[in-house]
Amino acid sequence: QKEVEQNSGPLSVPEGAIASLNCTYSDRGSQSFFWYRQYSGKSPELIMSIYSNGDKEDGRFTAQLNKASQYVSLLIRDSQPSDSATYLCAVSNDYKLSFGAGTTVTVRA
Amino acid sequence: DAGITQSPRHKVTETGTPVTLRCHQTENHRYMYWYRQDPGHGLRLIHYSYGVKDTDKGEVSDGYSVSRSKTEDFLLTLESATSSQTSVYFCAIRRDETGELFFGEGSRLTVL
Repeated sequence: QKEVEQNSGPLSVPEGAIASLNCTYSDRGSQSFFWYRQYSGKSPELIMSIYSNGDKEDGRFTAQLNKASQYVSLLIRDSQPSDSATYLCAVSNDYKLSFGAGTTVTVRA
Repeated sequence: DAGITQSPRHKVTETGTPVTLRCHQTENHRYMYWYRQDPGHGLRLIHYSYGVKDTDKGEVSDGYSVSRSKTEDFLLTLESATSSQTSVYFCAIRRDETGELFFGEGSRLTVL
């Protein structure tokens, strides 16, 4: 079993819709959770960090964490063509991050 | 901008040759990392460092070595490159207050 698993893509959503990305992790001791966005040919860029159960909102992005279910999600509201990218979930329980394989999102104009 | 510079950005080499990738940071972060990224595998940790001359292995360390003689520089060496090491290599630093990682622009390595 992989340490971090993300829902398989690609995910295609119409402009203005909500994109929902899911991630599960195997290490119950994990304490820190991150979402990165990666455009094709570019490096990963941090977009959200979440450390406690519940929701965290930042602009059009909302991260949700449920440690009991070992589940973290990312919602992108009012999706824009510029949101088309691969989104990486990352989980850490110390100083090392483990990454999921990523979910590619395409926003249709 | 986390002040991370990777060099070279692109390199083509032949099987069996040594290759060194360099990561340079300007912000004095303690932790530095080398990841490789391949289609279908996401980012996989090769080696990391937690201080000058302090390094440890990641999940895919075979065939790689690292060195950190100064806080600002973290070198990744492929002693004898193989085609399976064709990949994009990312260096990252860790912000201690938050545990967040920030990545350099990547080094694309092709081993023929």
